Amino acid sequence: EAGVTQSPTHLIKTRGQQATLRCSPISGHTSVYWYQQALGLGLQFLLWYDEGEERNRGNFPPRFSGRQFPNYSSELNVNALELEDSALYLCASSPRGVGAEAFFGQGTRLTVV
Amino acid sequence: DAKTTQPPSMDCAEGRAANLPCNHSTISGNEYVYWYRQIHSQGPQYIIHGLKNNETNEMASLIITEDRKSSTLILPHATLRDTAVYYCIVRVGSGSARQLTFGSGTQLTVLP
Repeated sequence: EAGVTQSPTHLIKTRGQQATLRCSPISGHTSVYWYQQALGLGLQFLLWYDEGEERNRGNFPPRFSGRQFPNYSSELNVNALELEDSALYLCASSPRGVGAEAFFGQGTRLTVV
Repeated sequence: DAKTTQPPSMDCAEGRAANLPCNHSTISGNEYVYWYRQIHSQGPQYIIHGLKNNETNEMASLIITEDRKSSTLILPHATLRDTAVYYCIVRVGSGSARQLTFGSGTQLTVLP
């Protein structure tokens, strides 16, 4: 069974540009979560989508946005990139159900220059 | 979700059991305990989770105290590849899944 896949693996953008990161969840999983991990720091929760709806949002500015498609895949968009947006962006998915665990992809390394 | 407390770092000799503690004294009755690990610059890897009973899988064992205020993750025979940051997370398990809130975790170093 395929795991959570993220693309691209690496992305280099210049300050002020927009970045789009993609995530395909494990088949049958309806929830997708996005996290940011800046170098040397912990995982910060960004966004949670379930059944196409945004369910919760972390403490990030509105230029971080996303969506979930009918096939449950998801996009994370970061507008007006700043240097401090350089980080590893991780996506996770989980199925419905009490206590369901989440599984992570390998991440997209975004570098803003 | 309840807050967790873990030691910042631990060492373990290769081949020995690694016992990683976690305190979650404010845990609620419907909150599960999850363990993940993150090997450098990779996505976190799910290890195990439990509600109140001890759990075991091919990777590890999870021992939860009777009052549920603390737990221990046991890697029975640690190898060098088990060197990673280990995260103990408490999360509500009712209804739809919710996001995991990561703390700073425990850096486990397995020594040859």
